[in-house]
Amino acid sequence: QVQLQESGPGLVKPSDTLSLTCAVSGYSISSSNWWGWIRQPPGKELEWIGYIYYSGSTHYNPSLKSRVTMSVDTSKSQFSLKLSSVTAVDTAVYYCAKKTDGHNPFDIWGQGTMVTVSS
Amino acid sequence: VMTQSPAFLSVTPGEKVTITCQASEGIGNYLNWYQQKPDQAPKVLIRDASQSISGVPSRFSGSGSGTDFTFSISSLEAEDAATYYCQQGSQHPLTFGGGTKVEIK
Repeated sequence: QVQLQESGPGLVKPSDTLSLTCAVSGYSISSSNWWGWIRQPPGKELEWIGYIYYSGSTHYNPSLKSRVTMSVDTSKSQFSLKLSSVTAVDTAVYYCAKKTDGHNPFDIWGQGTMVTVSS
Repeated sequence: VMTQSPAFLSVTPGEKVTITCQASEGIGNYLNWYQQKPDQAPKVLIRDASQSISGVPSRFSGSGSGTDFTFSISSLEAEDAATYYCQQGSQHPLTFGGGTKVEIK
């Protein structure tokens, strides 16, 4: 079955760049799907960061757009998130998730990875 | 903006649960509902306001269109203790409601 698995550092220093990767298994990353990132600060609600199509097309949340870069590597069946100039407010559980093209929900999620921004 | 209410519910097993979600502008029926249990990723329960998802128990249902939506659990079970979120898929940025935590009495 389709599985998504996030990986990356659990601790990032303020002003540094947060880098996460999501490995996709059991499914072709080169399909009609958007591969996205959603985050959730401790005890708070979910926030959509953005998503990327296998072709490289992207949509980002305007609130984060100036600091976000997403990329996809179809040869490795994975996609990535970079968030620059992080501060403590970027501390959160980061989820990767799949959404079929169109007005569809996120139907497959990774387990999430906690990222803490602290010196 | 998605305004979800109430923020918290404490409910006896067997009782009905109703959660509302209001969009700041019309979103058609592009409204999804998720369940999130502690330390787990969200799981979609309802899509397109009222469409059920394969494998999801029939006690979960949704209704509404435009700006006002409702999510219901017809008869609460202990395993339904979780936080529930609405999410609009009509336009970017995609947005989630603030969540409703359902506690079992």
